[in-house]
Amino acid sequence: DAGVTQSPTHLIKTRGQQVTLRCSPISGHKSVSWYQQVLGQGPQFIFQYYEKEERGRGNFPDRFSARQFPNYSSELNVNALLLGDSALYLCASSLGGYSNQPQHFGDGTRLSIL
Amino acid sequence: QQQVKQSPQSLIVQKGGISIINCAYENTAFDYFPWYQQFPGKGPALLIAIRPDVSEKKEGRFTISFNKSAKQFSLHIMDSQPGDSATYFCASSYFNKFYFGSGTKLNVKP
Repeated sequence: DAGVTQSPTHLIKTRGQQVTLRCSPISGHKSVSWYQQVLGQGPQFIFQYYEKEERGRGNFPDRFSARQFPNYSSELNVNALLLGDSALYLCASSLGGYSNQPQHFGDGTRLSIL
Repeated sequence: QQQVKQSPQSLIVQKGGISIINCAYENTAFDYFPWYQQFPGKGPALLIAIRPDVSEKKEGRFTISFNKSAKQFSLHIMDSQPGDSATYFCASSYFNKFYFGSGTKLNVKP
């Protein structure tokens, strides 16, 4: 079975631009979470979605937004990109919408801001 | 405020030895404590997880020890192998919020 897939794998943008990252969860998983991982640090939680509804939100500015589609795939949007947004963006999927369930990660999208 | 504090930052262990990584958490509402292994260029992979009603969980060479009163939990890797060389993250979660430690870079010497 396919794991969590993310696209694109790498992306280069300039300051002020907008970016959309995509995630397909493991088949049968209904929840998707997004994380930002700066080099040398642990992942920082951005959003969790379950059944197309936002279930949890981390401490990120409103420039970050996400949505989940009926097929449970998800997009993360970041507007007005800053140099500090350069990071690995990870998507994780889980069966249900509770935070005490195993999460399975994709290999991420590496976003570089010039 | 850092919700999950992980130590050590790096660890060198000889092949066959025991690797021990520790985490301390602040919020007593946390109800799920997983450990992840991450190789360069890859996403974190779930190793083992524990809930607060259990004091120890073992899966193969990996064991989590959980001390609720001290608000601490640790990962023990028995018979460490060079293939275990990776970065390890502890995490805690509650009410649809997730917090990761800062990571421990493990190097297992042959």
